[in-house]
This record gives sequence, structure tokens and C-alpha cells, in this order.
Amino acid sequence: DIVMTQTPLSLSVTPGQPASISCKSSQSLLYSDGRTYLHWYLQKPGQSPQLLIYEVSSRFSGVPDRFSGSGSGTDFTLKISRVEAEDVGIYYCMQGLAVRTFGQGTKVEIK
Amino acid sequence: EVQLVESGGDLVQPGGSLKLSCEASGFIFSSFWMAWVRQAPGRGLECVALISSDGSDKYYVDSMKGRFTISRDNAKNSLYLQMNSLKAEDTAVYYCARDLRWGMFDFWGQGTPVTVSS
Repeated sequence: DIVMTQTPLSLSVTPGQPASISCKSSQSLLYSDGRTYLHWYLQKPGQSPQLLIYEVSSRFSGVPDRFSGSGSGTDFTLKISRVEAEDVGIYYCMQGLAVRTFGQGTKVEIK
Repeated sequence: EVQLVESGGDLVQPGGSLKLSCEASGFIFSSFWMAWVRQAPGRGLECVALISSDGSDKYYVDSMKGRFTISRDNAKNSLYLQMNSLKAEDTAVYYCARDLRWGMFDFWGQGTPVTVSS
């Protein structure tokens, strides 16, 4: 199975400040079709996870533009340009190439 | 409106079996891959199993191969997870999710809790 490693595992952010989460995969997520199957999810407290970013950098329907994703191959980053109170929760990266595997999760809280 | 409703979670003894169900509505169920994802208490997400739209392809995380079986009935718009030889470490909330493509889980159910304990 492909191993996904996230850093940091927790983040405390002042509202309005940026935040960044790193995700590394144990092998390249670039597929032969030219697409890279790395996605980001957010699980808010007490809720089911929700898709935020798909294929590295595309925002899912309804996701605010303060969220952005970047990266290639095995190294990826999720950025929140200005953290808001509603952004608290646990963020997971996930690879979609083989049996889907998630990173350990990064807990984001507000200072 | 897309809806996924899981059921079947329960308290079961170690070594026991349980079958989870997920009833789908609001979309053409037979056109989508589906997945079971679990979350142990205080832990992260783990994709347990994945099944193709017609049920012909199935994938499992290594630790569950041989114990868990994913299946579907497209006529009933339902997804299933048969869990055998359950262990304490299988205790988790089990979610079903629609796999739009290549791991894009765009809709999730609310989850059903499974507790394995004597």
C-alpha cells in the first residue's frame, strides 16, 4: 500500500493568518493518463469527512477560494490563505491510485 | 439529493461476524464505484474496501483481506460489508462513500458504529 505522511500533525492558527499542511507519498501519484490522484479532505468536529481539493489543486464544488492545493509527484501542500473559525477540524490527504490510503491527519485549531 | 445511509453497526464479540449495509439514493448507483472507510475512536481515516460500479472488481487494504468482503446489489441500490473474525481493533465508525473517480469521495454517509468487545 502507498504510505501517506502528513506534517505537522497539529496546527494552531490565529484567525486571518495563513496555514499550510504538507503531505508526502511513498511513491509517485502521477498516473499514466497524466493526472495526479492526490486529494484533500476535511473532517469537521462531529461530521463526516468532506472533499475539499481533488487532483492536487482543483477545488471541489462550494469550497472557498482561500483553500488551495499544490505539488507534484510525491510532495503536496494544502494552503489556507486566511484561516476562519469554520476551518477547524482534521485535514487528510489521500491518494487515489491504488487501494485508497489517507495521511494521518492534521488537526487545525484556532488560537 | 444524494443520500447514503449506513446501518447494521452493533456490539459484537471478538471472533464474531457483522454485515453492514449502505442504502443509496438520489443518483444512479450502478454508475459509481463505492467504498467503505472506517475511523477508530480518536484515530484517522482508513479505506477498508473498494468496489467497482458493476461489482466485478474489489480491492481491500492488506490487513482486512480474507476477513472482510465488500459487495453490492445494484437492483437494490445497496452496498454491503461482510465482516468476519472481528477483532477489538476493528472497533470504529464505518462510513460508506461514493467514489466519483480515482478516490474522489464526493458524498459520505453519516457512519454506523461497530464495537468489538466481550
